[in-house]
Amino acid sequence: DAKTTQPPSMDCAEGRAANLPCNHSTISGNEYVYWYRQIHSQGPQYIIHGLKNNETNEMASLIITEDRKSSTLILPHATLRDTAVYYCIVRVPGTYKYIFGTGTRLKVLA
Amino acid sequence: GAGVSQTPSNKVTEKGKYVELRCDPISGHTALYWYRQSLGQGPEFLIYFQGTGAADDSGLPNDRFFAVRPEGSVSTLKIQRTERGDSAVYLCASSLDGVSPLHFGNGTRLTVT
Repeated sequence: DAKTTQPPSMDCAEGRAANLPCNHSTISGNEYVYWYRQIHSQGPQYIIHGLKNNETNEMASLIITEDRKSSTLILPHATLRDTAVYYCIVRVPGTYKYIFGTGTRLKVLA
Repeated sequence: GAGVSQTPSNKVTEKGKYVELRCDPISGHTALYWYRQSLGQGPEFLIYFQGTGAADDSGLPNDRFFAVRPEGSVSTLKIQRTERGDSAVYLCASSLDGVSPLHFGNGTRLTVT
């Protein structure tokens, strides 16, 4: 199965960078890594995805290691509104099924 | 533009009753997913549609659960003889093609009393 491993929780000071790690050691060569976040009572919100190269958009940056076995989501200047559960997911090889773990609960502190 | 819409947002039903949960995906998205989320857990995969057909229903917990997407757009998740353990948030997501990112609705909170 396409399993990802994330720390259960992290704290970050407001205005500082939040670096959220994810291990996906079983990822296959042509599968993307996707990041989502979920705020209470809402559905998961797409943030960013990548294959090999680092990616950046208006929400975050994604750093993928050269061996593709892990990645880090970076929120450059965390705000209180970034407090959420963050999930990294990959597709189960040979399918279009995406498996979510329990994610990282990020708390941004004032 | 409009996102994924799920109705109702909340549903309370009695044990043993039948329920239907509706999902309106983003227009033009061929892939549609149903997930179930219990408190404190990540979303759990139930079923995936590509067009009108259920391409992968391996996550449906038992034969009380069934989903349809007759015209390749709106989907309905149907649960027969509901049990208290079915209480959860049911999430729907759509994707342009199953590889492009998923876009989720805000879910239907089902409570079985």
